[in-house]
Amino acid sequence: QQPVQSPQAVILREGEDAVINCSSSKALYSVHWYRQKHGEAPVFLMILLKGGEQKGHEKISASFNEKKQQSSLYLTASQLSYSGTYFCGTESPSNTGKLIFGQGTTLQVKP
Amino acid sequence: GAGVSQSPSNKVTEKGKDVELRCDPISGHTALYWYRQRLGQGLEFLIYFQGNSAPDKSGLPSDRFSAERTGESVSTLTIQRTQQEDSAVYLCASSARARNYGYTFGSGTRLTVV
Repeated sequence: QQPVQSPQAVILREGEDAVINCSSSKALYSVHWYRQKHGEAPVFLMILLKGGEQKGHEKISASFNEKKQQSSLYLTASQLSYSGTYFCGTESPSNTGKLIFGQGTTLQVKP
Repeated sequence: GAGVSQSPSNKVTEKGKDVELRCDPISGHTALYWYRQRLGQGLEFLIYFQGNSAPDKSGLPSDRFSAERTGESVSTLTIQRTQQEDSAVYLCASSARARNYGYTFGSGTRLTVV
């Protein structure tokens, strides 16, 4: 039931790009993305509601393929502030409003 | 309030004692969620309240765990007869509606059972 994120960890240099994937074995209604910095609460980045939908937040964007039950988070021209752990949260069509989170992807951006 | 408020921020308790954790959601948010995060782990769903509907308790790990919410305001999570494996950060989140809105998380309560 828990979505699977890949990779588990990524190390980048400033300015490099990264992709984080989130895959579910069950049908999805929506996918959320959150970022959590060490010792802090997770912060909402974006929500994707429709198949094939893409959204952007600064240089962070995401796609959602409803048929494949997958979502990807794209970080372009990464900045030091992008460091943290990224979680996808998935909502099934029947579980109104409840998110099940993946295990997280730790992203470290180095100067 | 401006954000989700949780108290206490830290709690150290002896094994076997009961603890109560409190969450004040953002005013007007109808949905409230509790998650548990063990050190270095992901977010584990515990319980979810939506308006006056019956709560979704499907994530509570044992009958030692219970939670209440008064209307669309404060929620308390109670853990009875605490065990060492209960040690974790307990995060509360609220959202404006059950669907189609992002969660706003509180800073959490770090529970240590000794």
